[in-house]
Amino acid sequence: SYVLTQPPSVSVAPGKTARITCGGNNIGSKSVHWYQQKPGQAPVLVIYYDSDRPSGIPERFSGSNSGNTATLTISRVEAGDEADYYCQVWDSSSDHPNVVFGGGTKLTVL
Amino acid sequence: QLQLQESGPGLVKPSETLSLTCTVSGGSISSSSYYWGWIRQPPGKGLEWIGSIYYSGSTYYNPSLKSRVTISVDTSKNQFSLKLSSVTAADTAVYYCASHLGGDDAFDIWGQGTMVTVSS
Repeated sequence: SYVLTQPPSVSVAPGKTARITCGGNNIGSKSVHWYQQKPGQAPVLVIYYDSDRPSGIPERFSGSNSGNTATLTISRVEAGDEADYYCQVWDSSSDHPNVVFGGGTKLTVL
Repeated sequence: QLQLQESGPGLVKPSETLSLTCTVSGGSISSSSYYWGWIRQPPGKGLEWIGSIYYSGSTYYNPSLKSRVTISVDTSKNQFSLKLSSVTAADTAVYYCASHLGGDDAFDIWGQGTMVTVSS
């Protein structure tokens, strides 16, 4: 089965840039979606189809995907960005499509 | 604006069947645009997709749970449901319902989630 690997944690100072990676075999050939989850809340979609932003998501959030790594980039990080972030793909390598989530990355704003 | 709301028992005994319902408001579950899914999150852990259904009844299940999962849709009530049989403590989690536009799409609308504990 397809596996997505994320670093457990990333720390960044306010105003700096955070980069959260999501590794997978030839992930560049798949569409990657990213979710933000704050404690006690449901996940919120922040990036879809590698680099598109839903309405209401700040331009500070961007995404890229190439080769074996997809990256969520958060520019000018704010305290309110502290959360868990999950990447997600659809794996259609078997008979039926399967949704795969990465293990999640806890973003800490120093 | 589409909204989803989970409902069901918060406590289920081991070996029994977990049953949850997701009520869709602000739109029709029969919309040809949407698929409807279930995702869970054990305490302190990551997200796990359980399965998705189209309003026509077509279903996709996580292979690791497929033998125990049934997802169905009730268009008359604008609801879809999850049944997970033979539950154990490992099925203790927050269960979310969510919508997505297609087989490669993101889960764009989520319910608030409901905690289900498996314990005697």
